[in-house]
Amino acid sequence: DTAVSQTPKYLVTQMGNDKSIKCEQNLGHDTMYWYKQDSKKFLKIMFSYNNKELIINETVPNRFSPKSPDKAHLNLHINSLELGDSAVYFCASSLLTSPTHYEQYFGPGTRLTVT
Amino acid sequence: AQSVTQLGSHVSVSEGALVLLRCNYSSSVPPYLFWYVQYPNQGLQLLLKYTSAATLVKGINGFEAEFKKSETSFHLTKPSAHMSDAAEYFCAVSAPNQAGTALIFGKGTTLSVSS
Repeated sequence: DTAVSQTPKYLVTQMGNDKSIKCEQNLGHDTMYWYKQDSKKFLKIMFSYNNKELIINETVPNRFSPKSPDKAHLNLHINSLELGDSAVYFCASSLLTSPTHYEQYFGPGTRLTVT
Repeated sequence: AQSVTQLGSHVSVSEGALVLLRCNYSSSVPPYLFWYVQYPNQGLQLLLKYTSAATLVKGINGFEAEFKKSETSFHLTKPSAHMSDAAEYFCAVSAPNQAGTALIFGKGTTLSVSS
């Protein structure tokens, strides 16, 4: 059983396009995250949602808009894609009410390539 | 503010040799500390965690780490490297007891294992 899944796994698109990445978790978690891993493999938090409410919104261009339709899903929509958006995007989840709330489970990542 | 420094972007060992990956942290509050492993084209897997209990923490695949407050360190070790340990390793810190707190990652260390 896949715990945290992301679609698509690979995404190749041209500059200026709009694209979405989807994330789903079947762990019963209530908190979900988006991280960006750049070409040097550096990982940085972008957003965090708890019970569909945005709680972390790092300095990310307005072209990035997360949406959480329910606790099990967190999607990332990117408008007007730029070359610098090329990266691997990871979704993660955790359970805030758990004694191990700090443990985050990561999805397999979505490799976005903007040409 | 919290931060993590991983000393050595690349570590090479021979199979059967000791693995030592270094991590130093900075945190204004008692931290939670983590080591994650990333195999090529995969997501991040939690190796082990420190959450203010025992300072010597054992994880999966024979890895362990020791929390040393006086040295602000959380180095990862394994007595005997295996070829399958070759991967990217990330040290991360988070602040406990904060809703949906993000993981702050180090820049990663690539571990190579030669036969």
